[in-house]
Amino acid sequence: EVHLVESGGGLVKPGGSLRLSCAASGFTFYSYNMNWVRQAPGKGLEWVSSISGSSSYIYYADSLKGRFTISRDNAKNSLYLQMNSLRAEDTALYYCVRLAELNRGWFDPWGQGTLVTVSS
Amino acid sequence: EIVLTQSPDFQSVTPKEKVTITCRASQSIGNNLHWYQQKPDQSPKIIIKFASQSFSGVPSRFSGSGSGTDFTLTINSLEVEDAATYYCHQSTSFPYTFGQGTKLEIK
Repeated sequence: EVHLVESGGGLVKPGGSLRLSCAASGFTFYSYNMNWVRQAPGKGLEWVSSISGSSSYIYYADSLKGRFTISRDNAKNSLYLQMNSLRAEDTALYYCVRLAELNRGWFDPWGQGTLVTVSS
Repeated sequence: EIVLTQSPDFQSVTPKEKVTITCRASQSIGNNLHWYQQKPDQSPKIIIKFASQSFSGVPSRFSGSGSGTDFTLTINSLEVEDAATYYCHQSTSFPYTFGQGTKLEIK
């Protein structure tokens, strides 16, 4: 069964940093583009970042302005999101998601998410 | 950026009613449009891929249509368990985008 489990969320002060992790299982991890999607409390879904299987192609939402870095370790079947200079507006549930087909398609599966709270 | 605009934002409906949710893209995306269902306190779940293709395990009352810029999610004979927020999503070009969501309330 395909499975994604996020971890690393927590409470952090404005300006602080956090590193999220996502453990993947049940599929050939290196073959898939992986993404982070976030959802602020009571709000809609917002795509954050994408990384190709070989890490050759990386994209970010413009709103992040260089504060976040996505990476992956195919040997460990893991995806990461390094978040720096955190702001209150980064408070959200962060989901790790797989793009179902190469360079297009839907997100599936979705993990349970990891909650990031930025507050003093 | 491709903007996805859903309509309506909220709808209160009765069981067995037919529901139609629309998603309009700011530019043509072919059929690279996908629908998700998110129930309260749950992660989103894919229900329709590539505008009209259904998934095994998703009730047949859910269907999708459209191409280019105009898409529709239809729920025939709504059931109480369909109370959720529905999102459309495109992965044609970066940044990937979602519609703002349509919340269905069951009367």
